[in-house]
Amino acid sequence: QSVLTQAPSVSGAPGQRVAISCTGSSSNIGAGYDVHWYQQLPGTAPKLLIYGDTNRPSGVPDRFSGSKSGTSASLAITGLQAEDEADYYCQSYDSSLSDVVFGEGTKLTVL
Amino acid sequence: EVQLLESGGGSVQPGGSLRLSCAASGFTFSTYAMSWVRQAPGKGLEWVSDISDSGGNTYYADSVKGRFTVSRDNSKNTLYLQMNSLRAEDTAVYYCATDMMGGHIVVVARVDWGPGTLVTVSS
Repeated sequence: QSVLTQAPSVSGAPGQRVAISCTGSSSNIGAGYDVHWYQQLPGTAPKLLIYGDTNRPSGVPDRFSGSKSGTSASLAITGLQAEDEADYYCQSYDSSLSDVVFGEGTKLTVL
Repeated sequence: EVQLLESGGGSVQPGGSLRLSCAASGFTFSTYAMSWVRQAPGKGLEWVSDISDSGGNTYYADSVKGRFTVSRDNSKNTLYLQMNSLRAEDTAVYYCATDMMGGHIVVVARVDWGPGTLVTVSS
């Protein structure tokens, strides 16, 4: 059981917008620690999608965006494409655990 | 282009040891903090350890503290993870990753990742 909660799955049709949430607490996201998001395509290593809550590394399409409010963060994907089908993980730091923490991951299915 | 390549994985009995290596190229290795992150079969990501750019500071998840040791050889551009007293629950793909510069190393994002190496602990 992770301290960062993500829905196990989400789905959307091509072209649609989906949002993946990451809910934490006052010792991690709510304490102001940065949230980062990773995309993991089947059988591959994770890839950094969003860092520092809202920033995209170079090469990541602007269809991907991040936000944070209170004890939660969210990854939005617009203009959904078949190639977006993957697992998505949030990551932050928890001061109570003194640990880097990952969410359990959300599997995105493109219908 | 940043390249990271893990090696040293394999099958080991409970209680045994393994040393993983991560060979780095395409960037100035000695200026980057580095991480180990693992993923059990069919499960999510779990942070294992971090080491500062000089190797002077190390950090561990509670699940591996006292059993695993992270180190680096900046002259060889190589990161290591010595794993002792291995348990079945240590079975996972182990990834090395570069830590983003700026900020405390355990807080920042992991930027570039290797393809991983599989460790299986079983009798």
